[in-house]
Amino acid sequence: DVKVTQSSRYLVKRTGEKVFLECVQDMDHENMFWYRQDPGLGLRLIYFSYDVKMKEKGDIPEGYSVSREKKERFSLILESASTNQTSMYLCASSYSGTGKYEQYFGPGTRLTVT
Amino acid sequence: DAKTTQPPSMDCAEGRAANLPCNHSTISGNEYVYWYRQIHSQGPQYIIHGLKNNETNEMASLIITEDRKSSTLILPHATLRDTAVYYCIVRLSPTLMDSNYQLIWGAGTKLIIKP
Repeated sequence: DVKVTQSSRYLVKRTGEKVFLECVQDMDHENMFWYRQDPGLGLRLIYFSYDVKMKEKGDIPEGYSVSREKKERFSLILESASTNQTSMYLCASSYSGTGKYEQYFGPGTRLTVT
Repeated sequence: DAKTTQPPSMDCAEGRAANLPCNHSTISGNEYVYWYRQIHSQGPQYIIHGLKNNETNEMASLIITEDRKSSTLILPHATLRDTAVYYCIVRLSPTLMDSNYQLIWGAGTKLIIKP
């Protein structure tokens, strides 16, 4: 089974702190994604990556950056956390080329910025 | 904006078939219909997808109308563990070039299975 793990289930940070959210997948997937999920807004794509060192902006990249130095790991960085970044963050991965587009999600990190 | 419309919530008795509708009246010819679900406190889970033919797997069946403007996800024998939010999503054909294409998530249907 594909496994996508995220570094923390719950995280509390202060305004202005630099925050790192880590995501690791064990199925050699090319594509990795970061979403945030907020009540009433559904899942919104922040960034995605289709290869090592490659990244593409999603719908809401402002205030975030990403890093993909290794194929299995995709990091989301909040350079200076703000209270409006309090949210559930979900990482996902998918395989290219099977013709079946299935994203595998991690359990999520609930981030609170105070 | 999400290109699908789903009822916000539904109930179903345990052991019965749960039929979840989805309208996608603006779907284009090369767009697939995908279904995911999200159980409380977990990440979303892929269920099934289809283009125009009905599809079935170990989890569910997907019925797509002939005009492709709507579809129904069927959980044949719902259990309490099927209580979740179910998302219907349309997206372009998953080719090699756009397999990283983003999914547009709506609000989904909260399905409650009652004992």
